[in-house]
Amino acid sequence: SQTIHQWPATLVQPVGSPLSLECTVEGTSNPNLYWYRQAAGRGLQLLFYSVGIGQISSEVPQNLSASRPQDRQFILSSKKLLLSDSGFYLCAWALGDSREQYFGPGTRLTVT
Amino acid sequence: GENVEQHPSTLSVQEGDSAVIKCTYSDSASNYFPWYKQELGKGPQLIIDIRSNVGEKKDQRIAVTLNKTAKHFSLHITETQPEDSAVYFCAAIPNTGNQFYFGTGTSLTVIP
Repeated sequence: SQTIHQWPATLVQPVGSPLSLECTVEGTSNPNLYWYRQAAGRGLQLLFYSVGIGQISSEVPQNLSASRPQDRQFILSSKKLLLSDSGFYLCAWALGDSREQYFGPGTRLTVT
Repeated sequence: GENVEQHPSTLSVQEGDSAVIKCTYSDSASNYFPWYKQELGKGPQLIIDIRSNVGEKKDQRIAVTLNKTAKHFSLHITETQPEDSAVYFCAAIPNTGNQFYFGTGTSLTVIP
């Protein structure tokens, strides 16, 4: 069966510091991968998605970036965090043919 | 692009009563409509979905209906229980592209 992992689970970082969040998927090949951000009490904002290694589509211009160095690994990064980057970051995967999307457990990021 | 609206934003029901959450979409090319349940501090979980070739789907106490002509779909939860309390998201996925368009969420509270 497929599983999706995210780490760390929680993170507290000062403004201006770098960020690296990692997501890995097991049990499937060539998934579509997604990064979402969820502000407190709000909906899901799509940040990036990827249909293959090295292929990244950005939905929201900002100081975040994403990379997909391996088929089942998706990384969210920032060189300098802003207070507004605080939120709950969710990784998700989907198979292109079935369209079903599955979310990871999330990373709670607090920028202080 | 697709635009998904979800109502109500909050819903309180007595245990044992039914709950209904409604979503509308704008893109007639959307053909896959999942529903997610998100408990506090966790990632959303896919609970039921429907594709455009059917009008209704049931899974125990939950059901989803789809009206393609009116471009709306609904989640029905019968015999609600306290553990049904969560935030519910609908989504619409067009038959082209890889993006998921989510509603803004409904916070359901089941009062014991």
